Amino acid sequence: QSALTQPPSASGSPGQSVTISCTGTSSDVGGYDYVSWYQQHPGKAPKLMIYEVYKRPSGVPDRFSGSKSGNTASLTVSGLQAEDEADYYCSSYSGSNNWVFGGGTKLTVL
Amino acid sequence: EVQLVESGGGLVQPGESLRLSCAASGFTFSDYGMVWVRQAPGKGLEWVSYITSTGRTIYYADSVKGRFTISRDNAKNSLYLQMNSLRDEDTAVFYCARFRSDWSFDYWGQGTLVTVSS
Repeated sequence: QSALTQPPSASGSPGQSVTISCTGTSSDVGGYDYVSWYQQHPGKAPKLMIYEVYKRPSGVPDRFSGSKSGNTASLTVSGLQAEDEADYYCSSYSGSNNWVFGGGTKLTVL
Repeated sequence: EVQLVESGGGLVQPGESLRLSCAASGFTFSDYGMVWVRQAPGKGLEWVSYITSTGRTIYYADSVKGRFTISRDNAKNSLYLQMNSLRDEDTAVFYCARFRSDWSFDYWGQGTLVTVSS
């Protein structure tokens, strides 16, 4: 149950786009379309932003988009806004009745 | 409005036990699987355990298997996590979350802090 690999940090200026990667293996990210992304502000609970690789829950701005290629999933935040500054975590079903998260990426809006 | 409220956290010594609770409201609790996810101080999220809507099927992360027991009482709209033989590395904020059929976790509680230290 190794954690998925995310870059520790990412940054962009307001209005720009930023992409956060999430690399796993063929046993998790590459093997299932059950990748989800969570936003967590300091001291707060995580919030679901993307599910099933690219789908957005009701209420999540369409500035947030997800994709997957092979064993790597990606979260893109377009038109960066100050309130997007947070930690982002990817997650995937990893087979054998387990779920795994990435180590998290701290997104800074410059 | 969906609400999940955890309770039961606290400071315990290594080897001791603790029982966490998660009170659910705003949705039909018995229709949903539930999970516990933890976050060590300054660290990332770690899935801990999953239970189906009926409680008949349960899964655990290897790191807690044999020490933690997840359960639920649908009549009380409550989820539980019995934690035995606690270790220093179990120190974390524990979140309960609702499990969706698309295998994501769509609502989370505010978390309860468990500190294991001598």
